[in-house]
Amino acid sequence: SYVLTQPPSVSVAPGQTARITCGGNNIGSKSVHWYQQKPGQAPVLVVYDDSDRPSGIPERFSGSNSGNTATLTISRVEAGDEADYYCQVWDSSSDHNVVFGGGTKLTVL
Amino acid sequence: EVQLVESGGGLVQPGGSLRLSCAASGFTFSSYWMHWVRQAPGKGLVWVSRINSDGSSTSYADSVKGRFTISRDNAKNTLYLQMNSLRAEDTAVYYCARGGIDYNYALDYWGQGTLVTVSS
Repeated sequence: SYVLTQPPSVSVAPGQTARITCGGNNIGSKSVHWYQQKPGQAPVLVVYDDSDRPSGIPERFSGSNSGNTATLTISRVEAGDEADYYCQVWDSSSDHNVVFGGGTKLTVL
Repeated sequence: EVQLVESGGGLVQPGGSLRLSCAASGFTFSSYWMHWVRQAPGKGLVWVSRINSDGSSTSYADSVKGRFTISRDNAKNTLYLQMNSLRAEDTAVYYCARGGIDYNYALDYWGQGTLVTVSS
C-alpha cells in the first residue's frame, strides 16, 4: 500500500514561513490534500488538489507538489495556526483507498 | 450549510458490536461519496472505509476488512458503519466525512466525531 511520510514536528516563529512536507513515491503524479486539526476539533480541509484553497481559508496557506514531495506552506504564521497538519492522497492501486500521512505538529514559538 | 452529525458511539466489550450513524444535511447526499475516518487517542488520522454515491461500491482498510460494513440510506440522508468483533485497538473517535462525486476528491466536510471505547 502507498505510504506518506511527514515530519513529526515543525517549529516556526510568528510572522515567519512554515513548510510542512509530505513524501511519497512519485507523489507528484497524485492529487494531494491537506487538513488542519486543532485539539479537540474535527479536521478542516485547508488545501485540495495540491494547491487550491477552499473558500474561507486564508491566502497564507498554499501548496505545491512535484516529484516525491508535496509541501504545505503557511506564510506569515500566526499563533492560531498551531495545529496538527495531515496530507492525504488516494491510492488507486488498492481499490481506490484513502491514505493519510502520519501528521505534523506545527508549533508557533 | 453542510452538516454531518455522528451518533452511536459508546463503551463496548471486546468482541462486541456497535453501529454508528452519520446524519447528513445541507447538500444532495445521494450525489457524494462518503467516508469513515478514525483517530485513536493521541494518534493520527486513519482512513477506515468509503462508499460511493449509490452504495454499489465500498472499500475498507485492511485493519477492519471483514469486521466492519459501511452502508448508506440515501432516502434518509444517513451513512452507517456496522462494527463487529470489536477489539481494543478499535478504540477511537470516528468521523464521517464527505468526499466528492467520484474518487480523488478531498474530504471537504467532517462531522464532530463519536467516541468508541472497546474495553472490558
